[in-house]
Amino acid sequence: GIQVEQSPPDLILQEGANSTLRCNFSDSVNNLQWFHQNPWGQLINLFYIPSGTKQNGRLSATTVATERYSLLYISSSQTTDSGVYFCAVAGGNEKLTFGTGTRLTIIP
Amino acid sequence: DTGVSQDPRHKITKRGQNVTFRCDPISEHNRLYWYRQTLGQGPEFLTYFQNEAQLEKSRLLSDRFSAERPKGSFSTLEIQRTEQGDSAMYLCASSSFGRGYTFGSGTRLTVV
Repeated sequence: GIQVEQSPPDLILQEGANSTLRCNFSDSVNNLQWFHQNPWGQLINLFYIPSGTKQNGRLSATTVATERYSLLYISSSQTTDSGVYFCAVAGGNEKLTFGTGTRLTIIP
Repeated sequence: DTGVSQDPRHKITKRGQNVTFRCDPISEHNRLYWYRQTLGQGPEFLTYFQNEAQLEKSRLLSDRFSAERPKGSFSTLEIQRTEQGDSAMYLCASSSFGRGYTFGSGTRLTVV
């Protein structure tokens, strides 16, 4: 199956800083999503982005499918951005495979 | 779009008991997925349905686990003779082709 690697595993930043999270995957994909898992465990969909670039407020994401990676950018980070960010990908069977996540901690 | 609903949110059960979880997907989504997540790990695929047909089951899904999706609507996941290793967050998601997954809030199972 498709392998998904996320980096860094942990990231600690001051409030207001910018961050870049990376996701590498091992095969061509039909689906790539970025999720934020809140403290109660719910996975909040941030982006559905199998290719190209999208922006939503302070967050943006870019997927370069030909080079098998995706980046999630968080600008002007806030304490509410803390949590675990997951990248998940799917090939032709539409079955998502998750990475191990990046734990982001924003310090006031 | 009322989102994906899961019930219950939390379940504490004694080892050896049976438990059943319910998932109500987004109504226009024809695919429904079950995932399991343990502490510090990403969610792992268990099984998925397209309409009422169960199309794939993970090797993680032992014989004690069974899932159904009658009439292609809600789904249930039953665990028989629970073991402490079954303690986890059980997540349900739905999607339609070419669209992303939407996850429910999950059911956190604790086996004591």
